[in-house]
Amino acid sequence: DAGVIQSPRHEVTEMGQEVTLRCKPISGHNSLFWYRQTMMRGLELLIYFNNNVPIDDSGMPEDRFSAKMPNASFSTLKIQPSEPRDSAVYFCAIGTGLNYGYTFGSGTRLTVV
Amino acid sequence: SQQGEEDPQALSIQEGENATMNCSYKTSINNLQWYRQNSGRGLVHLILIRSNEREKHSGRLRVTLDTSKKSSSLLITASRAADTASYFCATVPGTASKLTFGTGTRLQVTL
Repeated sequence: DAGVIQSPRHEVTEMGQEVTLRCKPISGHNSLFWYRQTMMRGLELLIYFNNNVPIDDSGMPEDRFSAKMPNASFSTLKIQPSEPRDSAVYFCAIGTGLNYGYTFGSGTRLTVV
Repeated sequence: SQQGEEDPQALSIQEGENATMNCSYKTSINNLQWYRQNSGRGLVHLILIRSNEREKHSGRLRVTLDTSKKSSSLLITASRAADTASYFCATVPGTASKLTFGTGTRLQVTL
């Protein structure tokens, strides 16, 4: 997990509040991915970036979700307004090419009450 | 939606035994990867097998790939209690960069 730092590790928020999840990848990657993991739906790809440019956001569930990558060392995933069904573990991962494995962060466990 | 389905969903074995997990996928792939996830942690990359490879080894891990059947298997030999985790297969379809995960197998290794 050392290659990707996610914060916060845990987040509990009330329905309707804005939530921002952060990801700081260590350099050397060219792709960054946001995944969501739930018991019901497993691991879902939300969005990914190549060289800081969003390539595919078809997995973003609704307009309430948005992601940015202003530079190679930082990305955010924002949910506004949050809903209880957004409760999940959100992972950030980085990749260096098509034929290499990804490096995952430790995840942010989000609970919306 | 998941690209892969893993079988079995859960597996319980004793230390020293071998564990075999299977993965089936739906579309053509560039490569297939296996990951491990310990409880409450992120996923850790174990091994990658390219679509033109049939078998690959890494330590106690052996992965096979049958593209005609769209299936792969992960064998962990001489399992240890520390191997207790969930194991996921993931595929890279075609030339797309994105990795799509299967449903996972929960492995429990008891002493």
